[in-house]
Amino acid sequence: AQKITQTQPGMFVQEKEAVTLDCTYDTSDPSYGLFWYKQPSSGEMIFLIYQGSYDQQNATEGRYSLNFQKARKSANLVISASQLGDSAMYFCAIFSGGYNKLIFGAGTRLAVHP
Amino acid sequence: DAEITQSPRHKITETGRQVTLACHQTWNHNNMFWYRQDLGHGLRLIHYSYGVQDTNKGEVSDGYSVSRSNTEDLPLTLESAASSQTSVYFCASSESPHGILGNIQYFGAGTRLSVL
Repeated sequence: AQKITQTQPGMFVQEKEAVTLDCTYDTSDPSYGLFWYKQPSSGEMIFLIYQGSYDQQNATEGRYSLNFQKARKSANLVISASQLGDSAMYFCAIFSGGYNKLIFGAGTRLAVHP
Repeated sequence: DAEITQSPRHKITETGRQVTLACHQTWNHNNMFWYRQDLGHGLRLIHYSYGVQDTNKGEVSDGYSVSRSNTEDLPLTLESAASSQTSVYFCASSESPHGILGNIQYFGAGTRLSVL
């Protein structure tokens, strides 16, 4: 079975500072992908970044980077230089070929303060 | 621009009624998915399809059905709506079942369903 755990129900950060959102996972499949989505208050789900299990380098996408530690089974999202518009729910998800579908964590609500 | 559209955005219905939520994508993606989102549960998979005429049950499929007659559409039907089905429903699509990159899912804006 696959599982995603996001242990931080809520986080806050000062504008322009960096923040790390935690995500740990469990899977028995050697080939998998980890995804982060953002859900602002308007409700849509926005794809941010992904990391493949065989990727050697940590993924980066603009101000988003994924701190992938395979041995610890963690895939934390780092947001640099936080902006007020980053206030949202953030979901971590795992996909593996063996299960062929995304499994989501419960999410972390991030509040960016001015 | 390609997109995925859900309708209606909001729906109120009564228990026991049949309800159908529409999902239409213009990405030409093979895969389509329906999720429900409830507080404390994240997103849970209801049904999914890997192509025309293909449908599969997810983890919370009881009381729901889907059919895939073309690439673009995957309507979700609640056969006899129950109050426990009050939720926000998301449709998503992805390009291919093969490879990690092909499984990035793109979501619709969601449908908020209230069953009274």
